[in-house]
Amino acid sequence: DGGITQSPKYLFRKEGQNVTLSCEQNLNHDAMYWYRQDPGQGLRLIYYSQIVNDFQKGDIAEGYSVSREKKESFPLTVTSAQKNPTAFYLCASSMYAASRDKSQPQHFGDGTRLSIL
Amino acid sequence: SQQGEEDPQALSIQEGENATMNCSYKTSINNLQWYRQNSGRGLVHLILIRSNEREKHSGRLRVTLDTSKKSSSLLITASRAADTASYFCATGNAGGTSYGKLTFGQGTILTVHP
Repeated sequence: DGGITQSPKYLFRKEGQNVTLSCEQNLNHDAMYWYRQDPGQGLRLIYYSQIVNDFQKGDIAEGYSVSREKKESFPLTVTSAQKNPTAFYLCASSMYAASRDKSQPQHFGDGTRLSIL
Repeated sequence: SQQGEEDPQALSIQEGENATMNCSYKTSINNLQWYRQNSGRGLVHLILIRSNEREKHSGRLRVTLDTSKKSSSLLITASRAADTASYFCATGNAGGTSYGKLTFGQGTILTVHP
């Protein structure tokens, strides 16, 4: 079955600690995205990547970092610089946007819920 | 402010009734997409309507798009308790360097009572 796997489902962060959220897809999608969702809110884009070894900042990138070394994987690190990390984090993937003004349907994982200890 | 804004924020109906959710946006778009999210889960893509389309159907879903008013609506006919979820619109913006980015609204919480 093709899909997106996020792990862990729940994660706790201590003061001053960096934590990494995993996102793996086997849909052969070129593009991957990380979103943050706060209670009762919509999704806000953290980072996105259209191809391997390339990624761009989204609307709320401060305090986060990503890498895209493999097509299948797009891990997100929540650094100690992110002072309010408690949220639901969603990873998504899509087929490549053929031009800069096209967007494709996105497929989502089931999220990681991050809390502060 | 958010590109897409849904209305109403919450909707409560009885099974068998129709549910209508609206989405307004501010800038020019290439397409508009609707997603569903069950509590504690990821989003599921429902339907995509392009800027040159006015109406689209998929099963019990009907989506309309009015680019002159910068608005869209999602109609779910003959609702079921299993339709209970949050529904989000997302816009793919035209021009610029959006490269497939979507901007999500804050969602409508739909509750369907058996």
